[in-house]
Amino acid sequence: NAGVTQTPKFRVLKTGQSMTLLCAQDMNHEYMYWYRQDPGMGLRLIHYSVGEGTTAKGEVPDGYNVSRLKKQNFLLGLESAAPSQTSVYFCASSSGGIQTQYFGPGTRLLVL
Amino acid sequence: GESVGLHLPTLSVQEGDNSIINCAYSNSASDYFIWYKQESGKGPQFIIDIRSNMDKRQGQRVTVLLNKTVKHLSLQIAATQPGDSAVYFCAEKKGGKLIFGQGTELSVKP
Repeated sequence: NAGVTQTPKFRVLKTGQSMTLLCAQDMNHEYMYWYRQDPGMGLRLIHYSVGEGTTAKGEVPDGYNVSRLKKQNFLLGLESAAPSQTSVYFCASSSGGIQTQYFGPGTRLLVL
Repeated sequence: GESVGLHLPTLSVQEGDNSIINCAYSNSASDYFIWYKQESGKGPQFIIDIRSNMDKRQGQRVTVLLNKTVKHLSLQIAATQPGDSAVYFCAEKKGGKLIFGQGTELSVKP
C-alpha cells in the first residue's frame, strides 16, 4: 500500500494564479482532510470530507475549495492564490471519526 | 479561547536518556488526545493516543500520561535514540475535529 500520496511535492505560483492539489489514499478510508502548516505552528484544518461526495469547512477554509468525487481522492483548489497561502499542505485520511489520521508527505507551496 | 499548547518549544536530551514532552489543553470536555511525530520534510506520524477515561497508556518505548485535573498531557520516550529527533505534536479532539498544538522539537545528542 502506498498509503496517502500527494501531488505535486512543490509548486511556485504567482499571485492570482490557480492550482489544484491532489491527495490520494489506497486504504479505503471514508474520511479525508486537508491541513496547512505554517512555521512554528501546528496543523490547521482547511476542509474535510466524511465520505464520497461530501465536504465540510474546517478552521481556515477561506480562499480554498475542495471536491471528493471519488472515495480515494480529495482535491484542494486555490482559485486565486495569495502570498498568505504560502505554506506546507498536508492531506490525511482515516477510517472513521478522527481516531487515527494517516498523513501524506506534504506539498510545499510558495506564492509570490 | 480554547487551545492546545506546549510548554517548551525545544527539548535537547542525551542519547539513552528519557524524554518528557508536555502539553496543556484548555477544553475540559475533550475526550481524546493524540501524539504525533513529524520528522523533517515528512508528514506527521501517529505515535500513541489516549482517551479521557484513562490516565496512562503505554506503547513501545512511549508512554502517554493524562492529568485531567490540571488539563495536562505528557509524552514520555524511554531510552531516547537519534531517530527520535523530530517535532512532536499533541492534538485534542474538539467538535469532531483534531486541534493541534504548536509542537516541540526534540533534539537527541549522541
